[in-house]
Amino acid sequence: QSALTQPASVSASPGESITISCTGTSSDVGGYNYVSWYQQHPGKAPKLMISDVSNRPSGVSNRFSGSKSGNTASLTISGLQAEDEADYYCSSYTRGSTLVVFGGGTKLTVL
Amino acid sequence: EVQLLESGGGLVQPGGSLRLSCAASGFTFSNYAMSWVRQAPGKGLEWVALNSGSGKSTYYADSVKGRFSISRDNSKNTLYLQLNSLRVEDTALYYCAKGSESSVYHSDYWGQGTLVTVSS
Repeated sequence: QSALTQPASVSASPGESITISCTGTSSDVGGYNYVSWYQQHPGKAPKLMISDVSNRPSGVSNRFSGSKSGNTASLTISGLQAEDEADYYCSSYTRGSTLVVFGGGTKLTVL
Repeated sequence: EVQLLESGGGLVQPGGSLRLSCAASGFTFSNYAMSWVRQAPGKGLEWVALNSGSGKSTYYADSVKGRFSISRDNSKNTLYLQLNSLRVEDTALYYCAKGSESSVYHSDYWGQGTLVTVSS
């Protein structure tokens, strides 16, 4: 069981928008602005898409955005493209004995 | 260009040991925290350990605490992970990842991973 909860899968058609949620507690997501999001294509290493809740690294498309409300963080992808089909993972700093926790991952299917 | 190259993975029996290495280039290694993150076959990402830029501070996931040890040699631009008392559930692809400029809690560059298989 992962420390952060994500939906197992989401799907949408090209051009549409989707939002992936990441739910934690006040000890991690809700208590700190250290939520990040990673994209992972099959057989590839993860790629940082969003850091510190809503910061987009250089080179990442502005179709990707992040936000947080209470204990739930969200990743929104607008104008879906076929290349966005991948697994997405959230992570957060945690006040617990483990420094960083990940979500279980969400498989995005572009129909 | 930032590059991270892991090595040292392989097949080991339960209870055995292994040392993973991550050779870094393209950035000032000693200025950045480094982490190990693993991924069991067909499963999600699991954070394993973090080492501060100086090497003086280390942190571990509860699942590996007391069995794994992270260290670094800044003169060789290399990160290590010593894996002891290995269990079948430690089987995974182990990634080396670089902490970002702004925070140690996320990683802006990742290697391609080295596979550790624990089996009798």
